[in-house]
Amino acid sequence: EAQVTQNPRYLITVTGKKLTVTCSQNMNHEYMSWYRQDPGLGLRQIYYSMNVEVTDKGDVPEGYKVSRKEKRNFPLILESPSPNQTSLYFCASSSTGLSTDTQYFGPGTRLTVL
Amino acid sequence: AQKITQTQPGMFVQEKEAVTLDCTYDTSDQSYGLFWYKQPSSGEMIFLIYQGSYDEQNATEGRYSLNFQKARKSANLVISASQLGDSAMYFCAMREPFSGGYNKLIFGAGTRLAVHP
Repeated sequence: EAQVTQNPRYLITVTGKKLTVTCSQNMNHEYMSWYRQDPGLGLRQIYYSMNVEVTDKGDVPEGYKVSRKEKRNFPLILESPSPNQTSLYFCASSSTGLSTDTQYFGPGTRLTVL
Repeated sequence: AQKITQTQPGMFVQEKEAVTLDCTYDTSDQSYGLFWYKQPSSGEMIFLIYQGSYDEQNATEGRYSLNFQKARKSANLVISASQLGDSAMYFCAMREPFSGGYNKLIFGAGTRLAVHP
């Protein structure tokens, strides 16, 4: 089944404790992206990657890191999480970065930083 | 300025009736994609339907259709024969050509649809 997977689905952590949210897709997609969703602010892009070893900042990259060493994986790293990073995180992928390509989303990761 | 506007924060519909969710967009690009996603209370983001800016026919996917009026820059989602399981938040989104270092989906604020038996 074609899908985007994220792990963990739920995470409660404390300020400053490094964490990684994994994202993997099995559709051989070139483009991958991370979004966060917050009440009143909607969905905002954190980082995106057009292909392996190519990553770029989105609208809200501060406090996050990403890497794209393999085509299928695009982990999101929070080196020192803070409470304002409490959010619902989505990984998404599309075949290419073209405007006509559909982005498919993972199931989401609910992160709480205490 | 808002690039995607969904003017209906909430909508009610009776089961088995049709409902239209409004979406207007703003872009100066000629090539762009318009998308609708459904987000149920469980939180996942489910792709429903896509319309390309050059597509002359309105997109349809089962009970979903997109009423695309390019000159008016509107891309309304029509759900026919509503079901209880259609109760969710619905997002309209646009994807513009890669330029200026950004490449993303731009989302509207969403419309919460409640289907009543």
